[in-house]
Formats: sequence, C-alpha cells, structure tokens
Amino acid sequence: EVQLVESGGGLAQPGGSLRLSCVISGLSFRTYEMKWVRQTPGKGLEWISYISATGSPSYYVDSVKGRFTISRDTAKNSLYLQMNSLRDEDTAIYYCASHSMVEDYWGQGTLVTVSS
Amino acid sequence: QPVLTQSSSASASLGSSVKLTCTLSSGHKNYVIAWHQQRPGMAPRYLMKLDDTVTYNKGSGVPDRFSGSSSGADRYLTISNLQSEDEADYYCETWDIDTWVFGGGTKVTVL
Repeated sequence: EVQLVESGGGLAQPGGSLRLSCVISGLSFRTYEMKWVRQTPGKGLEWISYISATGSPSYYVDSVKGRFTISRDTAKNSLYLQMNSLRDEDTAIYYCASHSMVEDYWGQGTLVTVSS
Repeated sequence: QPVLTQSSSASASLGSSVKLTCTLSSGHKNYVIAWHQQRPGMAPRYLMKLDDTVTYNKGSGVPDRFSGSSSGADRYLTISNLQSEDEADYYCETWDIDTWVFGGGTKVTVL
C-alpha cells in the first residue's frame, strides 16, 4: 500500500518559518517526481512547488519564490518544504503528492496557520 | 502557461449519470490532464489521466463507473450509476515544463 504522510504543520507567526515533511512508503520514491499543493479552507487546489526525481530541477509558483524551498532525501524516503518569511495568505492545508505518467498519490495533508 | 476551466457545480440523481467538463486554454488542447476527486473533509484522490485521444492510468480501486473522454480542448469525466459517495469536488490538473495548474473544481451534488 502506498502511503504519503505529511507532518510539520502548525501555528507560525507572520515572518516566521516552518518545515514540512512528507514520508513516502510503498513506492520506489527515488523514481518519482514530487510536488507540494496547498488548499485554503473552502477554496480550490493550488500547486506551489515541484521537484524532479533526481532533486533537480525544482520549480515554484511565483507567490512563494524566494521564500519556500523544496528538497528530498532518497535515503529517508522523504520530501520537504522549508517555508520562510511566512505570510497570512500562506495559511492552508499543505499536501504532498507524487507526479508521474502513471498513477498519482496524495498525502492526507498538514495544516499551516500563519497568525499573530 | 495552460489554464483549465471547470463549471462550479453539477448535480444529478442517484443512479443517473453526470458528465463534468474541463477545458484547456487556447494553444494547449493536446495536453494531458489528470482528474482528482476530493470528498468533504478528505484529501484529494487521483482518478485518471487522459490526453486528447485516450484515457489511461486509472487509479487503483477507482470504480468502472468513472470514465474519461476528450473532444478537442475539452476533457470529460463521466460518472455513471451515481452513488452518494460520489458527492465531492472534482478537480482537473495539467502541467507544462515548469508549472502545474488546477482547474477551479466542480462540486457534484447527488440528488
């Protein structure tokens, strides 16, 4: 069974930082491209970052460029999202998801709340 | 970059069929899209991918009631024999070299 389990969400102050993690099991992580997608409560899905299977290249939506960094650790079957300079509008549920030309998989999400 | 357009809502009776549309922007009509289902309070779930000719790579455990088709820039998701558990938001997704985009989602209500 494929599982993607996110962690690291929580409450952060504006200007603060959080690091999200996503542990992947049940698939050959080193061969999968990965992405982070977020969803503001009651709203739609927004792609925010992508990383290739090898770790490079990576891409970001304009609103997080220069503030967020995606990375992966094949040895730990893990995907990360370092979020700095957080803003109120970054408040959302963050999902990790795989990307391939076969089946995609989603995690259950982790809630990030940015508030003073 | 591509843009995906979806109707905001659709409804149909229990046991009937509903056909959802996702329209690709001009210049992107041959792009592959993915359909995802999101039930209330749950994470999204991958359903299938389709291009301008064929549906492929249906997700594990996705019922045969879910099918995909295409016509030009339009990508369709048809749900047959609609069940109460099909009440959900349905999103299409596509990607370019360095960008991924989602449609606004269609909320399906089972009457």
